[in-house]
Amino acid sequence: EIVLTQSPGTLSLSPGERATLSCRASQTVYRMNLAWYQQKRGQAPRLLIYDASIRATDIPDRFSGSGSGTDFTLTISRLEPEDFALYFCQQYSTSRATFGQGTRLEIK
Amino acid sequence: EVQLVQSGAEVKKPGESLKISCKTSGYDFTTYWIGWVRQMPGKGLEWVGIIYPGDSDARYGPSFQGQVTISADRSISTAYLQWSSLKASDSAIYYCARHNRGDAYNVPFDRWGQGTLVTVSS
Repeated sequence: EIVLTQSPGTLSLSPGERATLSCRASQTVYRMNLAWYQQKRGQAPRLLIYDASIRATDIPDRFSGSGSGTDFTLTISRLEPEDFALYFCQQYSTSRATFGQGTRLEIK
Repeated sequence: EVQLVQSGAEVKKPGESLKISCKTSGYDFTTYWIGWVRQMPGKGLEWVGIIYPGDSDARYGPSFQGQVTISADRSISTAYLQWSSLKASDSAIYYCARHNRGDAYNVPFDRWGQGTLVTVSS
């Protein structure tokens, strides 16, 4: 099973700032099969990025994903108030997908 | 429009059985993998497992193998997650979610149900 470790656990930033979230895998994630999800309180997760760098439908271009192998990054270029939420990475390269434990992005 | 609508919240006692549902519409149910994700109170997401309704091929996460059963009824485009004997540690929100490409296994979830809260308490 691939274990995903997200860092930091909590990120405190202000609107307008740049956010960088990390997701590190315990072994290579093949075919860049890594996704990022956003979850707001009381809501289901929403797909933001898949295949490491492809934005999902209707996702603003301030969200971008990068990385390969075992190290992946989600970047939010300029934080909007609605971006403060939980973020999870997921690998789906193996027969059993796994999620990271999440990064909480909070307003400073 | 693709929709996944889950059954309502459940309160059960340890040892009881339970089956929750996820009714889908707006797409060909038989050609997309659909799965379940657990979120324990205040915690992260855990991949429970998935099923391909076209042939009922099901896969389970290591922690869930033998603990739950995932099934699908093609006639009513509905997926299910069931327990034969609940434990207090099964208390969580369970989301159903669909893969983002038909007939594809190694892809993410792009459509989610609203979640079903399961509470197991004596």
